[in-house]
Amino acid sequence: NAGVTQTPKFRILKIGQSMTLQCTQDMNHNYMYWYRQDPGMGLKLIYYSVGAGITDKGEVPNGYNVSRSTTEDFPLRLELAAPSQTSVYFCASIPDGLLSGNTIYFGEGSWLTVV
Amino acid sequence: QKEVEQNSGPLSVPEGAIASLNCTYSDRGSQSFFWYRQYSGKSPELIMSIYSNGDKEDGRFTAQLNKASQYVSLLIRDSQPSDSATYLCAVKLTGTYKYIFGTGTRLKVLA
Repeated sequence: NAGVTQTPKFRILKIGQSMTLQCTQDMNHNYMYWYRQDPGMGLKLIYYSVGAGITDKGEVPNGYNVSRSTTEDFPLRLELAAPSQTSVYFCASIPDGLLSGNTIYFGEGSWLTVV
Repeated sequence: QKEVEQNSGPLSVPEGAIASLNCTYSDRGSQSFFWYRQYSGKSPELIMSIYSNGDKEDGRFTAQLNKASQYVSLLIRDSQPSDSATYLCAVKLTGTYKYIFGTGTRLKVLA
């Protein structure tokens, strides 16, 4: 049981390039999330999904896109990378959002630098 | 007004003392609250969850919730240098599946 797996762990992008951060979980969780964390700051919600085929915007969705074709995978697409997108990206999942609270399972993070 | 607010710190306490971390939130209907600990370069890990007004204790940690005043706090008793980390408060927004985090409070426990 690998939990939440993110790839790549580190990446340097040039301004204007595009890339996809991959996230997969093997716990059959319906609810998946993408957060970004700027240095010394908390986590900001980018997008989330409550199940395959369903996604919704979080606090800071501009410049990003997501898809959820399977329960396991929730990739995050960066189009036309900008320096402001330099951050650490965390993918997360929870087993059932209908309950009053569940622990959030985080991936190890993806460090992205845009130069 | 930010949805979840925390003092960024750093909060410095001597070893063995009680560390008190505070968090306020704006969504009056929120029912689920969480404290996460994050070491530098690592992903957050859950310390405590709390859903009802009052105190909830787990070992050296006590979470306190006051929904009327819209604040949640975390007390760490007998603080250890290994407790030095950033503590993130998270709130599940009413009627959604959004979990919103505060900016975190950096705690330093001095040996």
